Amino acid sequence: SQQGEEDPQALSIQEGENATMNCSYKTSINNLQWYRQNSGRGLVHLILIRSNEREKHSGRLRVTLDTSKKSSSLLITASRAADTASYFCATDGNDYKLSFGAGTTVTVRA
Amino acid sequence: DAGVIQSPRHEVTEMGQEVTLRCKPISGHDYLFWYRQTMMRGLELLIYFNNNVPIDDSGMPEDRFSAKMPNASFSTLKIQPSEPRDSAVYFCASNEGSGHEQFFGPGTRLTVL
Repeated sequence: SQQGEEDPQALSIQEGENATMNCSYKTSINNLQWYRQNSGRGLVHLILIRSNEREKHSGRLRVTLDTSKKSSSLLITASRAADTASYFCATDGNDYKLSFGAGTTVTVRA
Repeated sequence: DAGVIQSPRHEVTEMGQEVTLRCKPISGHDYLFWYRQTMMRGLELLIYFNNNVPIDDSGMPEDRFSAKMPNASFSTLKIQPSEPRDSAVYFCASNEGSGHEQFFGPGTRLTVL
């Protein structure tokens, strides 16, 4: 069963704009991870945020985590055509397994 | 390192046939995971191994599915007999354990006719 749920399911933005997507989960976690999947490819890890962290940056990516609300957000700033992909959040509990959400499909228009 | 390697990349077979998917994890990674991705069900964890030992196979859909890891550098996922509903992309991933990112292979796209 899927632990994380992303919102929105799909997002279309103009190149240069920011893209924000959210992830909600149900049970306690050790960390939350975001992955990107380009069409026809495997998943690529973007960023990991631990349960005791509130915000993390990596390049044009910013991730927040609110454990009281059991939610996380991923912000991509100054989007590019190459950011067109599906983005998944995955929660890491105490059992060494990642639980993936259904993903947000992002389309960046030139 | 070449990353996680999976073969074949594409497999087309007929219902009832045996299918074997292969995975070579990243050297030094103690954990190996098999996932299945479909439009309807998303990304599902099928089974994972720690130090070549199956730890949790609760995601394996039924007895037609089996997985082995005979050594630290090789794992197989077998479906026998295959059915059309097994059509999906199967991913293998590996990592150093909980709290570490998982590295995914390119996947095997399986089509069962």
